[in-house]
Parts: sequence; C-alpha cells; structure tokens
Amino acid sequence: DAGVIQSPRHEVTEMGQEVTLRCKPISGHDYLFWYRQTMMRGLELLIYFNNNVPIDDSGMPEDRFSAKMPNASFSTLKIQPSEPRDSAVYFCASNRQGAGTEAFFGQGTRLTVV
Amino acid sequence: GENVEQHPSTLSVQEGDSAVIKCTYSDSASNYFPWYKQELGKGPQLIIDIRSNVGEKKDQRIAVTLNKTAKHFSLHITETQPEDSAVYFCAASEGGGADGLTFGKGTHLIIQP
Repeated sequence: DAGVIQSPRHEVTEMGQEVTLRCKPISGHDYLFWYRQTMMRGLELLIYFNNNVPIDDSGMPEDRFSAKMPNASFSTLKIQPSEPRDSAVYFCASNRQGAGTEAFFGQGTRLTVV
Repeated sequence: GENVEQHPSTLSVQEGDSAVIKCTYSDSASNYFPWYKQELGKGPQLIIDIRSNVGEKKDQRIAVTLNKTAKHFSLHITETQPEDSAVYFCAASEGGGADGLTFGKGTHLIIQP
C-alpha cells in the first residue's frame, strides 16, 4: 500500500478564499483522523471518522472548518473563508479499530494563507 | 479532556550517548501511549508504543517505560546515531470511544557528531 495520501502538499491562498484539503486513507482502515500542526499549539486533533461517519468534531476550531468522508477511500477538510491564522500543516491519519492501534500519517499539507 | 506535557523541548546529546524524553498525562483513563518520530517535511511515524498493562517495552535501541501511578512515561534511546535527529512526540489515548490521540508539544533531539 502507498500509505495515507494527501493532496496538495503545499497550498498558498489569499485570505477569504475557500481551501479544500484531500486525503486517501490506507485501504481497509476504518478510522480516519484530521490533525493540525502549528508551532504554538503542536499537533491537535480536529475531527475523526469511523466507517465514514463523523464521531467527534469537538476539535474543529470554528464553523469555517468542515470535513466530509463520502466513502471509505476519500475525505476532505474544507476551510471557508480562510484566514491567515489557519496557516499550518494539516495531517490526515488512518488506522484499524481506532484507539490503541498505530495511526499512520500522511505527508501533510502545508497551508499558507496570505 | 486529556492533557499531555512533554519535556525537554530541545535535547542535544553526543553521538553514542543516551537520550531520555519524559511525558506526563492527566487522564487516568488513558491506556495507550505511543511515541512518534517526525523528520523534516514528513508526517509523524510510530516508533514504539506501550499499553497500560505493561511497565516497560524495548525494541533494539529504543525503550519506553510507564508509571501508571505517577501518570508518566518516558522514551529512552541508547547509543544514539545521527539518524536519530528528529522531533519526537509522545501521545496518550483513552480508548473507549475517544479514539484520537492527545500529543505532547514535541522534543527536538539533536545528535552532535
């Protein structure tokens, strides 16, 4: 398997624009996680899905953030409208059975909002 | 919710020496404690993990210890090598429906030649 695949790797956008980040989890994994990494706050869990259903979105910072998982092989994280403070590296991770098992991370998307 | 504290934030050791990174957690329900290594421009990668029914686990030059009573766990790397230079994160998970990980802030490990 190619691992967790995220796209794009880098995204530069202007404040106010819509941004969509994409993730393809490892085949057979039933949990998918979105994390955000910043220098100030470290790695934070934003939302996670089990069998394509959102389970916990308490980490989503604002209503400007939304995530979907239309099928087992694809998820999106959307920010609309984007703001400079959204600049961060966004990681997608997946695993089997959720808690207590290894989470496999993608390479991340570095988002810069100017 | 869970809170994980990690220190030091930066650790510089001579090649061949040992490195120790320490973490504490707040939620006594946490029962899974992984350690991740992150190299520049890459995602975190699991290097070792431990569950709450085990006190210590080793994998070649890497070991993790867990003290449930004190709610702290540590990563030990012996005979450090240049390729060990990276950022290391500890994390905790309580399971039981809370499936995501709570991470420490990370330790930048520098191996001096």
